Amino acid sequence: GNSVTQMEGPVTLSEEAFLTINCTYTATGYPSLFWYVQYPGEGLQLLLKATKADDKGSNKGFEATYRKETTSFHLEKGSVQVSDSAVYFCARSGGGSEKLVFGKGTKLTVNP
Amino acid sequence: EAEVAQSPRYKITEKSQAVAFWCDPISGHATLYWYRQILGQGPELLVQFQDESVVDDSQLPKDRFSAERLKGVDSTLKIQPAELGDSAMYLCASSLAAGTGSYEQYFGPGTRLTVT
Repeated sequence: GNSVTQMEGPVTLSEEAFLTINCTYTATGYPSLFWYVQYPGEGLQLLLKATKADDKGSNKGFEATYRKETTSFHLEKGSVQVSDSAVYFCARSGGGSEKLVFGKGTKLTVNP
Repeated sequence: EAEVAQSPRYKITEKSQAVAFWCDPISGHATLYWYRQILGQGPELLVQFQDESVVDDSQLPKDRFSAERLKGVDSTLKIQPAELGDSAMYLCASSLAAGTGSYEQYFGPGTRLTVT
């Protein structure tokens, strides 16, 4: 089936630490892949996206590369800040459907 | 910057009552989505509109939920009667148009529903 699996949280890091949140997907066809971020009490904001294999999405120091061979789209940031504390969702669309299928979310807390 | 508007932001209702949520997408966005997000989980699609037509409502509990987008602009999602298990965040999103799947979706702030 079509699904998204991301690493379970919560993740707690110190400021300036390296962040990786793993995400793998299953899908028919060639999905587009997204990372969304949700700050407390708010809706989801698009963080970055990639629409084809080997594309790298990047924004605000975050990066993720579309790896078709491993069906992965891991989120990374070299140096996290307290303001990065939020819930991060991996999602995919496409493959014949426009709807987004989300992972369960990973809560990140960054301590000063 | 254009945003997706939703109201109300918070709603508390008793079970068996009716409740309605409103969404105004970004101007010019033909596709509108309603998602339900249960606490601690990712959003799940309830219904997708292309202009005024329903494209996908396969996950909408049609015995109690209804959605409309009469003029192809704003939309209303209704629950009647509400049940305790309907407590969740209801998110509206819009995108330019259905097609390749690469058009990102823009989300509103959501309506947090609590059924007592």
